[in-house]
Parts: sequence; structure tokens; C-alpha cells
Amino acid sequence: GAGVSQSPSNKVTEKGKDVELRCDPISGHTALYWYRQSLGQGLEFLIYFQGNSAPDKSGLPSDRFSAERTGGSVSTLTIQRTQQEDSAVYLCASSLYKLSTDTQYFGPGTRLTVL
Amino acid sequence: GNSVTQMEGPVTLSEEAFLTINCTYTATGYPSLFWYVQYPGEGLQLLLKATKADDKGSNKGFEATYRKETTSFHLEKGSVQVSDSAVYFCALTLESNTGKLIFGQGTTLQVKP
Repeated sequence: GAGVSQSPSNKVTEKGKDVELRCDPISGHTALYWYRQSLGQGLEFLIYFQGNSAPDKSGLPSDRFSAERTGGSVSTLTIQRTQQEDSAVYLCASSLYKLSTDTQYFGPGTRLTVL
Repeated sequence: GNSVTQMEGPVTLSEEAFLTINCTYTATGYPSLFWYVQYPGEGLQLLLKATKADDKGSNKGFEATYRKETTSFHLEKGSVQVSDSAVYFCALTLESNTGKLIFGQGTTLQVKP
């Protein structure tokens, strides 16, 4: 079946603009995670959804970052007033449940460049 | 806090050489342990996992054993191929932690023919 998809694959924006990143998880997966991969910080957790609710937002780096999930499926990560330090690859992953033993399946990522 | 430490790369090997990438962890409770791999130009994919002490995960000739006494999960392969060139990430999850992955910094492996 289809894997996790993300769009856009690349996004170049100017400092101060808002951006929206989209994730389509594997159908039927209840858990959805956002991570960020950057040269200086490695792979960092951002936020976790179970269904449409986000019980763990502890990784969001500032209040400029927000995310939502609708219909227990698609998720959007929004970054307001982008800064150069937001440049990174944003990865989405989904798993069938939120069990710690579950495999997370990753999308190809969105590469964000803030000029 | 909970963390994962991997050996620094890059690791450069000749084809058919033996590979070890060290991974140790610090965790409160009983983590599940994972190795993910990122091939050039591709997304992260699970290589193998182990969910309790003394379990051995294996896939594509790679193996790793969950060692609780040494808090380690070292990745090994007996004979690497050029196609194994990639970045390898060790990671853990905790039952108490919403299942989020905590990653090591990644180790780049380059295999030369």
C-alpha cells in the first residue's frame, strides 16, 4: 500500500514568511509524529498526535510552530514568521498505534530553506 | 534524561569487511531499541528492532542484540557491500514517552569496492 507522503518536497521561503508543511500518513495509522533533521541538532522530535489530539507537543521549539491533524489522517505543521534557524528537513512518521514497540514509517521529508 | 550515543563517523570500510557501529543508551524504564537507515537520497527506514533485553534484531545480514547490562545495542554485519553505504541511526522509545523516537546523532558508513 501507499507509504507516508509529504508535501512539498522542497520549500524555499524568505525570513518572516509563514509556511505550511503537509503529511499524509499510512491509512489506518492512529499515531503520527513530526521530527526535524538538521545538521547541528540531528533528528529531533517535535510533536505527536493520537487521532486528532496532540498529547505531546514538548518538542516544538517555539510558539511560532503549531500543528493540527484532521479526520485522524492528514496533518499540517505550520511555522509562522520563519527564521533562518528553521532551515531543516521536516519528517513525518506514522505508526499503527502509539505503542513504544511499534515501527514508525517515515515520509520522504520536506526540505525547508529560509533565506 | 533519556539519550542515545553512537560512535562518531564517518566509518570507511572495504567491501566484505566486518562492520560494528556502537550504540549505547541511557533510559529510565525499559526502552525498545531500533536501528534506522537512511540511504542516499531516500527517507528513513527501519532496519531492525528489539523490544526487550537479550532480544536480537536482524535484517539484511545486519544484527543487533539488546544488552541491558551494558545498555548497548551495537549494530554488526559480517560482510558489508557497497550498497550498505548510508547513514545509520540508533534510537529508543519508552512506553511512558508516547512512543516518540529518541535518536543518536547518526553514523555515516562508506563502503569502498
